[in-house]
Amino acid sequence: DGGITQSPKYLFRKEGQNVTLSCEQNLNHDAMYWYRQDPGQGLRLIYYSQIVNDFQKGDIAEGYSVSREKKESFPLTVTSAQKNPTAFYLCAASTVINTGELFFGEGSRLTVL
Amino acid sequence: GENVEQHPSTLSVQEGDSAVIKCTYSDSASNYFPWYKQELGKRPQLIIDIRSNVGEKKDQRIAVTLNKTAKHFSLHITETQPEDSAVYFCAASWNQGGKLIFGQGTELSVKP
Repeated sequence: DGGITQSPKYLFRKEGQNVTLSCEQNLNHDAMYWYRQDPGQGLRLIYYSQIVNDFQKGDIAEGYSVSREKKESFPLTVTSAQKNPTAFYLCAASTVINTGELFFGEGSRLTVL
Repeated sequence: GENVEQHPSTLSVQEGDSAVIKCTYSDSASNYFPWYKQELGKRPQLIIDIRSNVGEKKDQRIAVTLNKTAKHFSLHITETQPEDSAVYFCAASWNQGGKLIFGQGTELSVKP
């Protein structure tokens, strides 16, 4: 279903801890993305990757890091440097970078206690 | 960089009425404009998109219009139904590597 699997669905973290959100796809799409969704602010781009071992910062990359060691996987680490990490995070993939249909995962909701 | 403004933030209509959501963008190089629908608790899904070589595109009850001179594009939903209730997002990008930037979203409520 959908081809994009995010885990965990819900995650609680204490302040000062890093946390990694998983994103796996079986669509064989080259491009992958991470968006953050906050009420009233739409979907804001954190990082995106066009190809394995390459990725670019989006508009709100500070406090986040990613890796793209395999085509199927694009994990996002929310570091302790992210000042307001509580949010809903969406991973997506597309065949064509930035101008193709995005296929989203079901999202991960991170809450910092 | 690109900036996309979307209005209104909330929209309530009666079943059967039409709904219009408008977006403006800042980068004149943008040439790809998709619309996504996100139902409550679900992932966003593409419902329609338009590229800058056309001014209008229709798919059953939904249509998108594009005015490149004014740098705005709109989503039109006719004969609205309760299942159209969702959050709708517009977005813009350009195919030379520009990022896909989303608007703030519009929460549409269709009342039976």
